[in-house]
Amino acid sequence: LAKTTQPISMDSYEGQEVNITCSHNNIATNDYITWYQQFPSQGPRFIIQGYKTKVTNEVASLFIPADRKSSTLSLPRVSLSDTAVYYCLVGDNRGNNYQLIWGAGTKLIIKP
Amino acid sequence: SQTIHQWPATLVQPVGSPLSLECTVEGTSNPNLYWYRQAAGRGLQLLFYSVGIGQISSEVPQNLSASRPQDRQFILSSKKLLLSDSGFYLCAWGAGVIGGEQFFGPGTRLTVL
Repeated sequence: LAKTTQPISMDSYEGQEVNITCSHNNIATNDYITWYQQFPSQGPRFIIQGYKTKVTNEVASLFIPADRKSSTLSLPRVSLSDTAVYYCLVGDNRGNNYQLIWGAGTKLIIKP
Repeated sequence: SQTIHQWPATLVQPVGSPLSLECTVEGTSNPNLYWYRQAAGRGLQLLFYSVGIGQISSEVPQNLSASRPQDRQFILSSKKLLLSDSGFYLCAWGAGVIGGEQFFGPGTRLTVL
C-alpha cells in the first residue's frame, strides 16, 4: 500500500521560493501525485497535479523524478497569505477499492 | 459554475445519538463524491467515495455509512455516535477518474460529547 511522508512544518520569508518534498516510495504505476493547500477551518484547495517530470501552473510547480518515489512542490516568491498546511496525495489502485493516500501535511509559516 | 454545499456547519451531539450529514453539488452531472474526516491537527482520512447513484466504496470500516440517493447528493450517517467520531467532516466532488482534482465543501465541525 502506498504511503506518503512529508515534513511536519517549514518556515520561510516573504519573497522566497519554498520547496516542500513528499516521499511516496510505494506509489503504483498509474497513480498521479496531487498537492492541496488548506487554511484553518476550510476544505483543502487543489494546487497542482502531475504524473512525471515537471508540471507548472500559475501558482506552483511540481517536480517528479524519474523513479516517482518523491515529489517536490515549489512555490515561487511566497507571501504571508501562503501560510497554510500543504498536503500531498497519491492514489493506490492495486486493491479491491481505489484508495487515496493523503500525507499528514506540512505546516508552512511565512514570516515578513 | 459548480458549487458544493454542506450542512450543518457545526453540530454537537451526545454519544449514542444518530447522525446525518448532507452534501449537495450544483452545476455538474455524475460527479465523483467523497466523504473525509479530519481530526484536529491531523491529515485527511477518506471515509467513502462514490462514482454514481447507489455506488458506495468504503475505505475505513466503522460505525459510519454513506448513501447517494441522487446524482448530486451524498449523505453520511451513523446510528450511534462514538466520542471518536468527533472531527471535521468534509465532502468533496470531482470529475473524471477517482483521485483527480477534488473540490471541497465548507465542512461540518462535529463534536460528540
